[in-house]
Amino acid sequence: AQTVTQSQPEMSVQEAETVTLSCTYDTSENNYYLFWYKQPPSRQMILVIRQEAYKQQNATENRFSVNFQKAAKSFSLKISDSQLGDTAMYFCAFMTPYGGSQGNLIFGKGTKLSVKP
Amino acid sequence: DSGVTQTPKHLITATGQRVTLRCSPRSGDLSVYWYQQSLDQGLQFLIQYYNGEERAKGNILERFSAQQFPDLHSELNLSSLELGDSALYFCASSVAKVYTGELFFGEGSRLTVL
Repeated sequence: AQTVTQSQPEMSVQEAETVTLSCTYDTSENNYYLFWYKQPPSRQMILVIRQEAYKQQNATENRFSVNFQKAAKSFSLKISDSQLGDTAMYFCAFMTPYGGSQGNLIFGKGTKLSVKP
Repeated sequence: DSGVTQTPKHLITATGQRVTLRCSPRSGDLSVYWYQQSLDQGLQFLIQYYNGEERAKGNILERFSAQQFPDLHSELNLSSLELGDSALYFCASSVAKVYTGELFFGEGSRLTVL
C-alpha cells in the first residue's frame, strides 16, 4: 500500500528566510504524481506544486520548488523568501493514475508552518 | 475561490442522527471526490463519482453513502452518527475521470457530533 510520511509536525521560519519541508513516500508503482497542497486558516486546500515522477527535472513555481529524489522516495518542498501569507498546514500527497491509489490523492499528516515577522 | 461550493459550512448534531452534506462542483467538472479530515486519521479519501456513477471507493464506512445527480452536484449522507465522525468533510472536483492535475477543493463542511 502507498504511504506518505511527513516527519515534521510543526516548523517555523522568519519572514524572508528559506524553509524546507520534508516528505517521503512508499510505493512500488513507477508512474505516479506528487503534490504539495497548502491549507491556510481559511481551511481550503490549495495546490502549491506538482511533480510527475517520470520527469527528472524538479518542479518550481515562483518561490516554491521541490527536491525530488526518486530513488530515495523523497519529495521535499522549499519555500524561499517566506511571507506571512505562507503560514498554513502543508500536505504532501501522492497519486497513481491507475491501481494503487485508484487515481485519488493519498495525503501525509501535514506540517504546520508558521512564518514569524 | 475554487468554484466548488459546499453546504453547510458548519453542522452540529447528536449521536445517532443522520446528516446530508452537499457539494456543487466547478462548472464543467464531471468528477466529484469526497475527503474526510480528522485529527487522528488526517485526510482520507472516501469516494469518487464521475458523471453520475461511482468510480472509486476509499475508506468510506458502510454508514456513509453518496451520490451524484444529473446536474453533477453530489451529496454525502452520514447516518447513525458517532462521536468519531466529527471531522471536516471536503468535496473536490476535476474535469476528468482520472485526473493527474490539480483538484479543486471546496471550503469543507465542519461536522460536530455531540
